[in-house]
Amino acid sequence: DAKTTQPNSMESNEEEPVHLPCNHSTISGTDYIHWYRQLPSQGPEYVIHGLTSNVNNRMASLAIAEDRKSSTLILHRATLRDAAVYYCILSKRGGSEKLVFGKGTKLTVNP
Amino acid sequence: DAGVIQSPRHEVTEMGQEVTLRCKPISGHNSLFWYRQTMMRGLELLIYFNNNVPIDDSGMPEDRFSAKMPNASFSTLKIQPSEPRDSAVYFCASSLRFREFTEAFFGQGTRLTVV
Repeated sequence: DAKTTQPNSMESNEEEPVHLPCNHSTISGTDYIHWYRQLPSQGPEYVIHGLTSNVNNRMASLAIAEDRKSSTLILHRATLRDAAVYYCILSKRGGSEKLVFGKGTKLTVNP
Repeated sequence: DAGVIQSPRHEVTEMGQEVTLRCKPISGHNSLFWYRQTMMRGLELLIYFNNNVPIDDSGMPEDRFSAKMPNASFSTLKIQPSEPRDSAVYFCASSLRFREFTEAFFGQGTRLTVV
């Protein structure tokens, strides 16, 4: 499985944008990029996914580099409820659907 | 929809006892996953099923662990005998495999403490 690299932790202030980076230099052309997050004392939850183009949904935006070797999850206005561990995961398009989690980035949001 | 339901939420047991964790996936989902989370090792995939059939159990730590999915609406993860190092939060997740992308939905987890 292709690996991802994320910073261990990041801090943000409430109501400011947050850019969470993820490096995946060994990504293949058939890999999807997924983002999940885990709020304290809860199971992980889906945030967003993409393949080649940038994606937006009600929770966040996903910006994918042109060479696909990195991506950035963008929270447009961080709230205290966004404090969580954010995981960037790759999975094979049309292949096994299993999700292999790394260490993720722990996001702290300051009031 | 009630989401993925796990029981019990908390379990405390003595070393050597059998432990059974239960999971009810979201109705209509055809894939089910069991994960274990500890501070040291993070989230580890133990096993996953598709259409009630185990597809990949390479993450199951040893023979003391077993998982079953007798039907589409129920799965169990059993540890026999339990050991203190099995203490962790165990998550169950389900998804609908459709074409090329699936979104996994996780339960609230079972916190297992083996003393």
